[in-house]
Amino acid sequence: SAVISQKPSRDICQRGTSLTIQCQVDSQVTMMFWYRQQPGQSLTLIATANQGSEATYESGFVIDKFPISRPNLTFSTLTVSNMSPEDSSIYLCSVDLGEETQYFGPGTRLLVL
Amino acid sequence: QKEVEQNSGPLSVPEGAIASLNCTYSDRGSQSFFWYRQYSGKSPELIMSIYSNGDKEDGRFTAQLNKASQYVSLLIRDSQPSDSATYLCAVFNTGGFKTIFGAGTRLFVKA
Repeated sequence: SAVISQKPSRDICQRGTSLTIQCQVDSQVTMMFWYRQQPGQSLTLIATANQGSEATYESGFVIDKFPISRPNLTFSTLTVSNMSPEDSSIYLCSVDLGEETQYFGPGTRLLVL
Repeated sequence: QKEVEQNSGPLSVPEGAIASLNCTYSDRGSQSFFWYRQYSGKSPELIMSIYSNGDKEDGRFTAQLNKASQYVSLLIRDSQPSDSATYLCAVFNTGGFKTIFGAGTRLFVKA
């Protein structure tokens, strides 16, 4: 497995503001992913963070709302822009360590007021 | 039809019993299957992966895969209260080249 950290672990934000979430892995990985998990729900893939190119977004998620950076093979950021209460959720990064097996970071708990 | 379906539960079993969690998937070409455990307030933790038809055992956990029936299950033997969690079934979708997660089954193990 890998050691994955996320910052911040939780935050309370005002609507209309933006929050950038960081994900750091202790080894180089090709595939990194960002998920959202709303209360009582399962995981929804937001995008795949590609190193050296633009992220690949899933249906319903757009770059203007969720810009992603992937400057190297151990780090990625997800920004939640112009937040509304509907963005209140847990945001999780994950990495693929081979054989399509994903390991998750501890998550960022976001509350938008 | 959802791509990965699980009974949401809750599934309640007494301590020491076998808990059986089931999952069906729609992508017939899927080759990789996973079970994750998620405690309340925590992130998902990988328990088992399975790639071939049949059973795969790891301690008290056994994953079973039947590709012809598009069915994956997880058996937990000698269930403990500490096994109480939500169990997520995940399937790697070869068409979209991404992992699809089921909604999860909540398991309660009663002491």
